[in-house]
Amino acid sequence: AQSVAQPEDQVNVAEGNPLTVKCTYSVSGNPYLFWYVQYPNRGLQFLLKYITGDNLVKGSYGFEAEFNKSQTSFHLKKPSALVSDSALYFCAVQTAADSWGKFQFGAGTQVVVTP
Amino acid sequence: DVKVTQSSRYLVKRTGEKVFLECVQDMDHENMFWYRQDPGLGLRLIYFSYDVKMKEKGDIPEGYSVSREKKERFSLILESASTNQTSMYLCASSPRTLGGYTFGSGTRLTVV
Repeated sequence: AQSVAQPEDQVNVAEGNPLTVKCTYSVSGNPYLFWYVQYPNRGLQFLLKYITGDNLVKGSYGFEAEFNKSQTSFHLKKPSALVSDSALYFCAVQTAADSWGKFQFGAGTQVVVTP
Repeated sequence: DVKVTQSSRYLVKRTGEKVFLECVQDMDHENMFWYRQDPGLGLRLIYFSYDVKMKEKGDIPEGYSVSREKKERFSLILESASTNQTSMYLCASSPRTLGGYTFGSGTRLTVV
Protein backbone atom coordinates (compact mmCIF):
# COMPACT_ATOMS: atom_id res chain seq x y z
CA ALA A 1 0.00 0.00 0.00
CA GLN A 2 1.16 3.49 -0.69
CA SER A 3 1.49 6.10 2.01
CA VAL A 4 2.70 9.62 2.53
CA ALA A 5 4.05 11.15 5.72
CA GLN A 6 4.34 14.81 6.58
CA PRO A 7 6.11 14.64 9.93
CA GLU A 8 5.42 18.22 11.01
CA ASP A 9 1.94 19.45 11.85
CA GLN A 10 3.17 23.03 11.75
CA VAL A 11 6.21 24.90 10.53
CA ASN A 12 6.96 28.38 11.82
CA VAL A 13 9.36 30.64 9.94
CA ALA A 14 10.17 34.33 9.89
CA GLU A 15 9.58 36.27 6.70
CA GLY A 16 12.66 36.26 4.52
CA ASN A 17 14.01 33.01 5.95
CA PRO A 18 14.15 29.72 4.04
CA LEU A 19 11.08 27.52 4.25
CA THR A 20 11.12 23.71 4.13
CA VAL A 21 8.11 21.42 4.38
CA LYS A 22 8.98 17.75 4.65
CA CYS A 23 7.39 14.81 2.88
CA THR A 24 8.36 11.15 2.72
CA TYR A 25 6.54 8.40 0.87
CA SER A 26 6.26 4.66 0.59
CA VAL A 27 5.04 3.11 -2.67
CA SER A 28 5.35 0.10 -4.90
CA GLY A 29 6.80 1.15 -8.20
CA ASN A 30 7.67 4.59 -9.46
CA PRO A 31 6.00 7.47 -7.67
CA TYR A 32 4.35 10.53 -9.11
CA LEU A 33 4.69 13.21 -6.43
CA PHE A 34 2.73 16.41 -5.98
CA TRP A 35 2.50 19.40 -3.69
CA TYR A 36 -0.71 21.35 -3.18
CA VAL A 37 -1.44 24.45 -1.11
CA GLN A 38 -4.71 25.36 0.58
CA TYR A 39 -5.66 28.83 1.76
CA PRO A 40 -8.42 29.21 4.38
CA ASN A 41 -11.85 28.06 3.19
CA ARG A 42 -10.56 27.31 -0.28
CA GLY A 43 -9.84 24.23 -2.35
CA LEU A 44 -6.38 22.84 -2.96
CA GLN A 45 -4.19 24.57 -5.53
CA PHE A 46 -1.48 22.77 -7.49
CA LEU A 47 2.10 23.90 -6.75
CA LEU A 48 4.36 21.43 -8.51
CA LYS A 49 4.88 17.82 -9.45
CA TYR A 50 7.57 15.26 -10.10
CA ILE A 51 6.88 12.65 -12.76
CA THR A 52 10.29 11.83 -14.20
CA GLY A 53 13.52 13.55 -15.20
CA ASP A 54 15.35 16.21 -13.23
CA ASN A 55 15.11 15.61 -9.50
CA LEU A 56 14.74 19.33 -8.78
CA VAL A 57 11.32 20.57 -9.74
CA LYS A 58 10.32 24.22 -9.83
CA GLY A 59 6.74 25.31 -9.35
CA SER A 60 4.42 28.18 -8.69
CA TYR A 61 5.08 31.15 -6.35
CA GLY A 62 8.85 30.47 -6.16
CA PHE A 63 8.51 27.01 -4.63
CA GLU A 64 10.68 24.06 -5.56
CA ALA A 65 11.00 20.46 -4.44
CA GLU A 66 13.68 17.82 -4.70
CA PHE A 67 12.92 14.19 -5.40
CA ASN A 68 15.30 11.94 -3.46
CA LYS A 69 14.75 8.33 -4.39
CA SER A 70 17.19 6.84 -1.88
CA GLN A 71 15.56 8.71 1.00
CA THR A 72 12.06 8.41 -0.48
CA SER A 73 11.54 12.10 0.14
CA PHE A 74 10.05 15.03 -1.72
CA HIS A 75 10.59 18.09 0.47
CA LEU A 76 9.09 21.42 -0.54
CA LYS A 77 11.35 24.47 -0.30
CA LYS A 78 11.32 28.19 -0.78
CA PRO A 79 14.48 30.27 -0.38
CA SER A 80 12.76 33.30 1.14
CA ALA A 81 9.34 32.94 2.75
CA LEU A 82 6.59 35.55 2.53
CA VAL A 83 3.77 36.21 4.97
CA SER A 84 1.42 35.33 2.12
CA ASP A 85 2.90 31.79 2.06
CA SER A 86 1.06 31.07 5.31
CA ALA A 87 -1.27 28.22 4.37
CA LEU A 88 -1.82 24.47 4.64
CA TYR A 89 0.43 22.35 2.43
CA PHE A 90 -0.29 18.82 1.25
CA CYS A 91 2.04 16.28 -0.28
CA ALA A 92 0.46 13.56 -2.43
CA VAL A 93 1.66 10.44 -4.24
CA GLN A 94 0.22 8.51 -7.13
CA THR A 95 1.44 5.32 -8.81
CA ALA A 96 0.54 3.07 -11.70
CA ALA A 97 -0.12 0.35 -9.11
CA ASP A 98 -3.43 2.04 -8.36
CA SER A 99 -5.80 1.27 -11.20
CA TRP A 100 -7.68 4.53 -10.95
CA GLY A 101 -4.80 6.85 -10.22
CA LYS A 102 -6.05 7.73 -6.78
CA PHE A 103 -3.91 10.04 -4.72
CA GLN A 104 -2.63 9.21 -1.28
CA PHE A 105 -2.40 12.49 0.63
CA GLY A 106 -0.27 13.38 3.59
CA ALA A 107 -2.00 14.83 6.64
CA GLY A 108 -0.94 18.34 5.78
CA THR A 109 1.51 20.84 7.28
CA GLN A 110 0.41 24.26 8.44
CA VAL A 111 2.96 26.91 7.53
CA VAL A 112 3.00 30.11 9.57
CA VAL A 113 5.22 32.93 8.32
CA THR A 114 5.63 35.80 10.77
CA PRO A 115 6.55 39.34 9.73
CA ASP B 1 -9.10 28.75 -17.58
CA VAL B 2 -10.00 25.16 -16.79
CA LYS B 3 -11.79 24.54 -13.61
CA VAL B 4 -13.86 22.47 -11.25
CA THR B 5 -16.93 24.25 -9.94
CA GLN B 6 -18.76 23.35 -6.77
CA SER B 7 -22.22 24.79 -6.64
CA SER B 8 -22.13 26.15 -3.10
CA ARG B 9 -19.36 27.60 -0.94
CA TYR B 10 -21.36 27.42 2.27
CA LEU B 11 -24.41 25.35 3.16
CA VAL B 12 -26.40 25.00 6.37
CA LYS B 13 -28.78 22.05 6.56
CA ARG B 14 -30.93 20.46 9.23
CA THR B 15 -30.44 16.98 10.62
CA GLY B 16 -32.33 14.42 8.56
CA GLU B 17 -32.43 16.50 5.38
CA LYS B 18 -31.35 15.05 2.06
CA VAL B 19 -28.42 17.12 0.82
CA PHE B 20 -27.02 17.37 -2.70
CA LEU B 21 -23.53 18.69 -3.38
CA GLU B 22 -22.86 19.36 -7.02
CA CYS B 23 -19.56 19.41 -8.89
CA VAL B 24 -18.97 20.25 -12.54
CA GLN B 25 -15.69 20.12 -14.47
CA ASP B 26 -14.98 21.52 -17.91
CA MET B 27 -11.77 19.60 -18.68
CA ASP B 28 -13.34 16.44 -20.14
CA HIS B 29 -11.71 14.44 -17.33
CA GLU B 30 -12.68 10.82 -16.88
CA ASN B 31 -12.06 10.63 -13.13
CA MET B 32 -13.90 12.57 -10.48
CA PHE B 33 -13.55 12.40 -6.69
CA TRP B 34 -15.27 13.52 -3.52
CA TYR B 35 -13.24 14.11 -0.37
CA ARG B 36 -14.08 15.43 3.03
CA GLN B 37 -11.57 17.40 5.03
CA ASP B 38 -11.59 17.62 8.80
CA PRO B 39 -9.01 19.16 11.16
CA GLY B 40 -6.42 16.63 12.18
CA LEU B 41 -7.73 13.99 9.77
CA GLY B 42 -6.56 15.41 6.46
CA LEU B 43 -8.40 14.51 3.27
CA ARG B 44 -10.47 11.34 3.22
CA LEU B 45 -11.87 9.87 0.04
CA ILE B 46 -15.63 9.30 0.09
CA TYR B 47 -16.38 8.11 -3.45
CA PHE B 48 -14.87 8.35 -6.88
CA SER B 49 -16.01 7.75 -10.42
CA TYR B 50 -13.94 6.73 -13.42
CA ASP B 51 -16.66 6.95 -16.02
CA VAL B 52 -20.26 7.95 -16.53
CA LYS B 53 -22.58 5.89 -14.32
CA MET B 54 -19.60 4.18 -12.70
CA LYS B 55 -18.68 4.66 -9.06
CA GLU B 56 -16.35 3.18 -6.50
CA LYS B 57 -16.35 3.48 -2.73
CA GLY B 58 -13.52 5.31 -1.12
CA ASP B 59 -12.38 5.07 2.47
CA ILE B 60 -15.48 6.52 4.18
CA PRO B 61 -18.59 5.93 2.02
CA GLU B 62 -21.05 5.32 4.86
CA GLY B 63 -23.90 7.79 4.88
CA TYR B 64 -23.14 9.02 1.37
CA SER B 65 -24.05 8.14 -2.19
CA VAL B 66 -23.04 9.60 -5.54
CA SER B 67 -24.41 10.08 -9.02
CA ARG B 68 -22.66 10.58 -12.31
CA GLU B 69 -25.15 10.78 -15.15
CA LYS B 70 -22.95 13.00 -17.33
CA LYS B 71 -19.20 13.06 -17.70
CA GLU B 72 -18.83 16.60 -16.45
CA ARG B 73 -21.02 16.32 -13.35
CA PHE B 74 -20.49 14.35 -10.16
CA SER B 75 -22.96 14.73 -7.32
CA LEU B 76 -22.51 13.77 -3.69
CA ILE B 77 -25.69 12.92 -1.79
CA LEU B 78 -26.16 12.83 1.93
CA GLU B 79 -29.26 10.66 2.28
CA SER B 80 -30.09 11.85 5.79
CA ALA B 81 -27.73 14.50 7.03
CA SER B 82 -26.28 14.14 10.49
CA THR B 83 -24.22 16.51 12.60
CA ASN B 84 -21.11 14.33 12.19
CA GLN B 85 -21.23 15.13 8.48
CA THR B 86 -20.43 18.76 9.18
CA SER B 87 -17.24 19.22 7.21
CA MET B 88 -15.47 20.77 4.24
CA TYR B 89 -16.26 18.81 1.07
CA LEU B 90 -13.83 18.92 -1.84
CA CYS B 91 -14.46 17.75 -5.37
CA ALA B 92 -11.60 16.97 -7.76
CA SER B 93 -11.15 15.67 -11.26
CA SER B 94 -8.27 14.10 -13.17
CA PRO B 95 -7.58 12.52 -16.53
CA ARG B 96 -7.62 8.74 -16.79
CA THR B 97 -3.86 8.66 -17.18
CA LEU B 98 -1.61 9.40 -14.23
CA GLY B 99 -1.48 13.10 -13.48
CA GLY B 100 -2.59 15.74 -11.09
CA TYR B 101 -5.97 16.50 -9.66
CA THR B 102 -7.78 19.77 -10.19
CA PHE B 103 -9.82 20.74 -7.14
CA GLY B 104 -12.93 22.79 -6.72
CA SER B 105 -13.09 25.59 -4.16
CA GLY B 106 -14.85 23.41 -1.61
CA THR B 107 -18.23 23.43 0.11
CA ARG B 108 -18.35 24.01 3.83
CA LEU B 109 -21.39 22.13 5.07
CA THR B 110 -22.83 22.65 8.51
CA VAL B 111 -25.54 20.28 9.72
CA VAL B 112 -27.54 21.61 12.66
